[in-house]
Amino acid sequence: EIVLTQSPGTLSLSPGERATLSCRASQSVSSSYLAWYQQKPGQAPRLLIYGASSRATGIADRFSGSGSGTDFTLTISRLEPEDFAVYYCHQYGSSPKTFGQGTKVEIK
Amino acid sequence: QLQLQEPGPGLVKPSETLSLTCTVSGGSISSYIYYWGWVRQPPGKGLEWIASIYYSGSTYYNPSLKSRVTISVDTSKNQFSLKLSSVTATDTAVYYCARERGYSSPFDSWGQGTLVTVSS
Repeated sequence: EIVLTQSPGTLSLSPGERATLSCRASQSVSSSYLAWYQQKPGQAPRLLIYGASSRATGIADRFSGSGSGTDFTLTISRLEPEDFAVYYCHQYGSSPKTFGQGTKVEIK
Repeated sequence: QLQLQEPGPGLVKPSETLSLTCTVSGGSISSYIYYWGWVRQPPGKGLEWIASIYYSGSTYYNPSLKSRVTISVDTSKNQFSLKLSSVTATDTAVYYCARERGYSSPFDSWGQGTLVTVSS
C-alpha cells in the first residue's frame, strides 16, 4: 500500500498569499496518478487536480499541481477567501487507492 | 448534470450489517467509461477508499476491508450498493459514493455523503 504523507498539517496564511502544500509518497506513484481535492466543512471533496498537474473542469487557474515519482506539490498562487479549506492528495494508480491525511489551510 | 445520492440508515448496531445504496441521476451507470466507488471519512479524520465496481459487475476492494465488504450494481435502477458486515464503532463515518472516470482515475463526482453511526 502506498502511504501518502502531507505537510504541513496546518498552513496559516492571509488572503492574497501563496500556499504551497506537499504530498510525499512511500513509493513511486505510477504514471503520476496523483490527484488533489479540496474539502470544506460539511461538504464532499471536490476534485482540483488529476494526473499530478491537470486542472479538473471548472477549477480556477490559481490552483496548480506539480511533481512526479514520490514528491508532489499543490500551489495556490493567491489565496481567495473561499480557498480556506482542507486539501487531500490521492493516489489512484495502485491498489488500494489511498489518500493523504490532509492539510488544513486556515486564515491567519 | 450528474447527481449521486446515498441516503443512509443513520444508526447501525454493533455486529450488524451496514447497507447503503447510491442512486445515480443525470447519467447512465452502464456507461463503459465509468467506475463507481465508495469512500468513507470518520468524523474529523481523513478519507478511505472502500471499494469500486464497473457496470459489468467487476469489483475492486480495499484489502483492509475486503473480508467484510460487498459492492454490487443494479443497472436497471441506475444504482450501486455497499454492504459492510460485522460493524463496530470504528466504522462510524460519513460514507460517500463517487464516480471514477475509468479504473485508474480519481473520483470526479461525489454524493453529498451520509453519516452512519455504529452504536447500541
